[in-house]
Amino acid sequence: SAVISQKPSRDICQRGTSLTIQCQVDSQVTMMFWYRQQPGQSLTLIATANQGSEATYESGFVIDKFPISRPNLTFSTLTVSNLSPEDSSIYLCSVWTSFYEQYFGPGTRLTVT
Amino acid sequence: QKEVEQDPGPLSVPEGAIVSLNCTYSNSAFQYFMWYRQYSRKGPELLMYTYSSGNKEDGRFTAQVDKSSKYISLFIRDSQPSDSATYLCAMTTYSSASKIIFGSGTRLSIRP
Repeated sequence: SAVISQKPSRDICQRGTSLTIQCQVDSQVTMMFWYRQQPGQSLTLIATANQGSEATYESGFVIDKFPISRPNLTFSTLTVSNLSPEDSSIYLCSVWTSFYEQYFGPGTRLTVT
Repeated sequence: QKEVEQDPGPLSVPEGAIVSLNCTYSNSAFQYFMWYRQYSRKGPELLMYTYSSGNKEDGRFTAQVDKSSKYISLFIRDSQPSDSATYLCAMTTYSSASKIIFGSGTRLSIRP
């Protein structure tokens, strides 16, 4: 198993600013993921972040808007840039330790005003 | 049409009842099926996973997959108030295992 912590747990940001979310895992993992969860909607994969390589973004998500860092096997950050109210959502970090074994952090609740 | 459809609920049942949660899907390539439970203000946690068709039981929980109908179910027996949460179905293929497709979740409330 894996225990994941995220910071901040919630934030209220102004339009046009940026928020950086940190994800810390208690063990070394190769594959980390960032998801967005909007109210009443599915979890949507933003990108896959593997240590030592650039993040791979899903359709509809771009690096300029969602830059990701993965400096080591236990840590990653997601920045949501140039915030707009449409970015208000819950952002979740996730890791995959083996097939089907995917663990999620508690999420960061972002509100953009 | 979404790849995975799940009734959002909310579903409210009395304690001790049998709960049935369901998802339908359109992609016949899905081979692996999961159920996650998400408590309020927490991240999803994996409850069960199954491969291909058939049933899998774990305590009070039974996962069922019918690939011919593209339909999966999660049954909860002897439901408890602590089972109150949002339940998300999820599925993927072997060749794209990290690309997990989630349902939108069903909110379940167990009344004491």
